[in-house]
Amino acid sequence: KQEVTQIPAALSVPEGENLVLNCSFTDSAIYNLQWFRQDPGKGLTSLLLIQSSQREQTSGRLNASLDKSSGRSTLYIAASQPGDSATYLCAVSSNDMRFGAGTRLTVKP
Amino acid sequence: EAGVAQSPRYKIIEKRQSVAFWCNPISGHATLYWYQQILGQGPKLLIQFQNNGVVDDSQLPKDRFSAERLKGVDSTLKIQPAKLEDSAVYLCASSLTDVAYEQYFGPGTRLTVT
Repeated sequence: KQEVTQIPAALSVPEGENLVLNCSFTDSAIYNLQWFRQDPGKGLTSLLLIQSSQREQTSGRLNASLDKSSGRSTLYIAASQPGDSATYLCAVSSNDMRFGAGTRLTVKP
Repeated sequence: EAGVAQSPRYKIIEKRQSVAFWCNPISGHATLYWYQQILGQGPKLLIQFQNNGVVDDSQLPKDRFSAERLKGVDSTLKIQPAKLEDSAVYLCASSLTDVAYEQYFGPGTRLTVT
């Protein structure tokens, strides 16, 4: 049974800092890994999708990496802004989609 | 393209009452998912449909939850009777075919059971 863990549970940084969010999973037999953003009271917005054959994906200030053999993914956010404040969830697709509990990010102006 | 639509956005009911949620997926998406997200946790899959057939309902509490996807398009999720622990956000998502494809989520329905 796939288990997904996200560390840290919460993170607070000053504006402009670069930061890394971590995601680990127990079963490396995956189709893909997705990073989502969730604002309070809202649904999930897909940020990046990494297929199992890929090592990383980039979109603007976001870069996600995938190391399937070690069961890890990282989401790197460059030059953080207050608008980046949200909960970030990673989800792994194998037989079904399993989510981590998320990292709640606060970027202080 | 229009996103995943859900209604209602909010619902407050008393325990032992029944409630239903509706979802309309992205046009052309064969697979539809219902998730339950309890406050402070990640979403948990309740049921997955491929067209109008059930692929996975292993985590659906079948004594009180039911779901259907007639005609392979929109779907309803019902809870009857509701318990306090059912208070959560119910998210609907869709993908082109199966879990190997990117999932797109609706805004969710926030259910409060008092």
